[in-house]
Amino acid sequence: DTGVSQDPRHKITKRGQNVTFRCDPISEHNRLYWYRQTLGQGPEFLTYFQNEAQLEKSRLLSDRFSAERPKGSFSTLEIQRTEQGDSAMYLCASSLVRPSGANVLTFGAGSRLTVL
Amino acid sequence: GIQVEQSPPDLILQEGANSTLRCNFSDSVNNLQWFHQNPWGQLINLFYIPSGTKQNGRLSATTVATERYSLLYISSSQTTDSGVYFCAVPGGSEKLVFGKGTKLTVNP
Repeated sequence: DTGVSQDPRHKITKRGQNVTFRCDPISEHNRLYWYRQTLGQGPEFLTYFQNEAQLEKSRLLSDRFSAERPKGSFSTLEIQRTEQGDSAMYLCASSLVRPSGANVLTFGAGSRLTVL
Repeated sequence: GIQVEQSPPDLILQEGANSTLRCNFSDSVNNLQWFHQNPWGQLINLFYIPSGTKQNGRLSATTVATERYSLLYISSSQTTDSGVYFCAVPGGSEKLVFGKGTKLTVNP
């Protein structure tokens, strides 16, 4: 296993179009997270899954955003009707959480979205 | 929500120099992580350090949870240390709240 994979690495789209990002976590990890990072800022939490259940969503995740993890493995993040303000790096991370254990996140290389 | 402040925002070093990066947080935490984001955007976890001191090669980190700060030490810096260093703490439930980072540039 080579880590967390994200696809595509770069996406340029026109305002109003829909885009979808895919994340393949480390196979034995049970948690998967989506974060968004804009220029000069730290990553901001969007949502996370425990296996296939989406357990928390940030207020940043407007109705135009939807995330799924259908079989508890890979996840997709879809943005509908993109706006210029959606331009950012979308980061996926995974972790293996055990009772009384540390929750150490491993990040993917990110998917950079540019909305024209 | 919890606030995370990192200092300095920018740091320029000559290769071989040592540096200390600071992370202050506004509330008690049971988890603190340091990350390095390389110039290509990849975030690498450096330390999981809720308290105490850890060392990994030329890097070490100390968290004083009772005083709500953590320090990252980089010794004998190399050009490959360049990038942005983030600290992150829990922001309620399972999400991490990141600081704005310290941008480190190491010149040859």
